[in-house]
Amino acid sequence: GQNIDQPTEMTATEGAIVQINCTYQTSGFNGLFWYQQHAGEAPTFLSYNVLDGLEEKGRFSSFLSRSKGYSYLLLKELQMKDSASYLCAVHDSNYQLIWGAGTKLIIKP
Amino acid sequence: GAVVSQHPSRVICKSGTSVKIECRSLDFQATTMFWYRQFPKQSLMLMATSNEGSKATYEQGVEKDKFLINHASLTLSTLTVTSAHPEDSSFYICSAKEISGGALETQYFGPGTRLLVL
Repeated sequence: GQNIDQPTEMTATEGAIVQINCTYQTSGFNGLFWYQQHAGEAPTFLSYNVLDGLEEKGRFSSFLSRSKGYSYLLLKELQMKDSASYLCAVHDSNYQLIWGAGTKLIIKP
Repeated sequence: GAVVSQHPSRVICKSGTSVKIECRSLDFQATTMFWYRQFPKQSLMLMATSNEGSKATYEQGVEKDKFLINHASLTLSTLTVTSAHPEDSSFYICSAKEISGGALETQYFGPGTRLLVL
């Protein structure tokens, strides 16, 4: 079956750095996405990785290792507004998007 | 970035009535739109994939006669919840896939519709 694993919840301090991991086992791979979802709102697109390596976009970076079936989202200089759920999703061989359950990130002052 | 709108944002209806939710891609064309349902504190659950000009593809366990999907144009898809019941109360979110011509086919989400069936 297809499976995406990410931690259920993480806590970090304002101003610090946090890394949210995602591992996947899917039938084929055509890219990995990270989305941010604030409570009561729809997800918003953060990043896309299809090749191995690190993609940096401002305070957020996303890393991919296809051989390990592994990605992480790195958030730097954490702000209170970063408190949200972070969803990892993978395009399988049919370009169907397989979703992880999301990681709830709690930022403390 | 690409913008997807959804209307209404919130609806309260009586049990047994039907509710229509619209999803529009505002500044791009989307041959494929997706409908998701999300219950509180749970992840997104794909209900169906909507393709312009053809019948929608429903996920296992989703009743196609209850959740009617129409993708009339490249910028509009509608979801109609027929004979709604309290258990249909949920957060319904649509997304549209932007055709970039490259490997990246990002889904952009509408703001969601919160449905409460009394």
